[in-house]
Amino acid sequence: DTGVSQDPRHKITKRGQNVTFRCDPISEHNRLYWYRQTLGQGPEFLTYFQNEAQLEKSRLLSDRFSAERPKGSFSTLEIQRTEQGDSAMYLCASTFGGGGDTQYFGPGTRLTVL
Amino acid sequence: AQRVTQPEKLLSVFKGAPVELKCNYSYSGSPELFWYVQYSRQRLQLLLRHISRESIKGFTADLNKGETSFHLKKPFAQEEDSAMYYCALSGTGANSKLTFGKGITLSVRP
Repeated sequence: DTGVSQDPRHKITKRGQNVTFRCDPISEHNRLYWYRQTLGQGPEFLTYFQNEAQLEKSRLLSDRFSAERPKGSFSTLEIQRTEQGDSAMYLCASTFGGGGDTQYFGPGTRLTVL
Repeated sequence: AQRVTQPEKLLSVFKGAPVELKCNYSYSGSPELFWYVQYSRQRLQLLLRHISRESIKGFTADLNKGETSFHLKKPFAQEEDSAMYYCALSGTGANSKLTFGKGITLSVRP
């Protein structure tokens, strides 16, 4: 197991287009998190799943954002009608357990919206 | 609301000098505190967490509930310590999301 993986690593899109990112967590990790990081800021929480259930969503996650984890393994994050303000690094993390357990991060997907 | 404050953006020291990276937090309850590190061109990774009370790569951090602080310290900095450091907290159980500070760049000069 090589850790959390994310695909693609980079995405350039035009404003108004839809994009989808994928995250593959460490095997058997039941919790999966999405964070967004912009320049000069720490990662900000977007949403998380325990198995296939989406348990919490941040107010940062507007109606244009949707996340799924249909079989409790990989997850997708879709952004519809992208805006320039969506340009950021999108990070995925996974853990086995709950609060206080180490979250293992993926390399991130860098989104640039032109 | 949970909040993490890292008051400095950059700390530059010479090799062998002591290092202290400051972190203050706000949380109603008993938080779990972490320090994450990101080396150049690498992913974010855990450096240490308060619950394990370990010393990793010579770094230590003590949770001070009275001052709501979790400062990261190392007595003698090494060039390989140069990286971005983030302080983070989470709750327990269902409140497991991490809240990060803005991070601090540590630069250790030879």
